[in-house]
Amino acid sequence: GENVEQHPSTLSVQEGDSAVIKCTYSDSASNYFPWYKQELGKGPQLIIDIRSNVGEKKDQRIAVTLNKTAKHFSLHITETQPEDSAVYFCAATGGSTLGRLYFGRGTQLTVWP
Amino acid sequence: GAGVSQSPSNKVTEKGKDVELRCDPISGHTALYWYRQSLGQGLEFLIYFQGNSAPDKSGLPSDRFSAERTGGSVSTLTIQRTQQEDSAVYLCASSLPWGNQPQHFGDGTRLSIL
Repeated sequence: GENVEQHPSTLSVQEGDSAVIKCTYSDSASNYFPWYKQELGKGPQLIIDIRSNVGEKKDQRIAVTLNKTAKHFSLHITETQPEDSAVYFCAATGGSTLGRLYFGRGTQLTVWP
Repeated sequence: GAGVSQSPSNKVTEKGKDVELRCDPISGHTALYWYRQSLGQGLEFLIYFQGNSAPDKSGLPSDRFSAERTGGSVSTLTIQRTQQEDSAVYLCASSLPWGNQPQHFGDGTRLSIL
């Protein structure tokens, strides 16, 4: 099955700086890559996703890039704010097991005011 | 509109007891998923329902775990003879049926086995 690796496990940035989280995947057949934000005591919230037919997608301060050849994708958050502090998960699906998401281990992002 | 609803939000039970966790998906979402999130771990797939098709049970960790989906809507995850290692947050997600669609999660049931 699919294996998703996520780095770093923790990330601290100053308010206003950028944050980058990177993930790699193993199944070349995977074609859908969502990112989730999880706040304490809440379920994961979808913040952005990308499909394998595009290389980049942007939504305001958040962007995701995908390199299919290298099998890695990244989340970029610009102009970070304290409310961006949360755990972020990357995921992949679409390979041999359609539907189920394979998640990375998560990144604890802390934005200091 | 209403999101995915899970109940109870918290459940504390003794080792060896059976528990039932409930998930109400978003209206119109025929795909439903259960995941488990253990302390400090990522999200682990358990089971996937898609319409009237046979569910994908490949993620269930043992035969003590089972799930049903009645009427193509509400789902119940049952854990029999609970063990301490079953302590985790159990998350439900739903999505539209076709292709790879965004999965929307509930806030989960935090299960604690004493």
